Amino acid sequence: DIHMTQSPSSLSASVGDRVTISCRASQSIRSYLSWYQQKPGKAPKLLIYTASVLQSGVPSRFSGNGSGTDFTLTISSLQPEDFATYYCQQSYNTLPLTFGGGTKVEIK
Amino acid sequence: QVQLQQRAAGLLKPSETLSLTCAVYGESFSGYYWTWIRQSPGKGLEWIGEITLSGTTNFNPSLTSRVTISLDTSKNQFALRLSSVTAADTAIYFCARGRIVGSSFFDYWGQGTLVTVSS
Repeated sequence: DIHMTQSPSSLSASVGDRVTISCRASQSIRSYLSWYQQKPGKAPKLLIYTASVLQSGVPSRFSGNGSGTDFTLTISSLQPEDFATYYCQQSYNTLPLTFGGGTKVEIK
Repeated sequence: QVQLQQRAAGLLKPSETLSLTCAVYGESFSGYYWTWIRQSPGKGLEWIGEITLSGTTNFNPSLTSRVTISLDTSKNQFALRLSSVTAADTAIYFCARGRIVGSSFFDYWGQGTLVTVSS
């Protein structure tokens, strides 16, 4: 299985801050990476796919970057509704699809 | 508007079989990968498996001996069966629609169903 490692596991930030979350794959996954946001008691919500393509309806303050083994999700100006847990997910060649362990973004 | 609505669940005893269904509204099955994913505190998000309209299935190798995913086009729903459950199968189970545009991702999800396995 391809192992996905996210860092940090949690962070504290203020409204308006620029926030960057990292995701590292145990082997190259080219650009086969997606990002999700999950709020308590809800299903994950797709934010970005193919490493950098913004899902329809997702605010432009979210952006994704990277290829190979190292990826980032950036929130350019954190809003109150962005406090949540974020997950990366890879879909390279072999099954199973796997997710990172999550990064919880909390209010400072 | 695509909606996925999950049914059933609840409490199971060890060795029983978990059965969940996911009703799909506002979309046909063609062109997508209808998927089950679970989330537990210990293992995070775990992809269980998928099915396409043609009936092609793929499963997580860690679960393949116990998993069945089926599709009922007449009822516009798909289903998960997981046999011989143990406490390790306690999780929130989600159904989701999978797409491939470059990467493979899940753009619509069910609301999630908590399944608890306990004697």
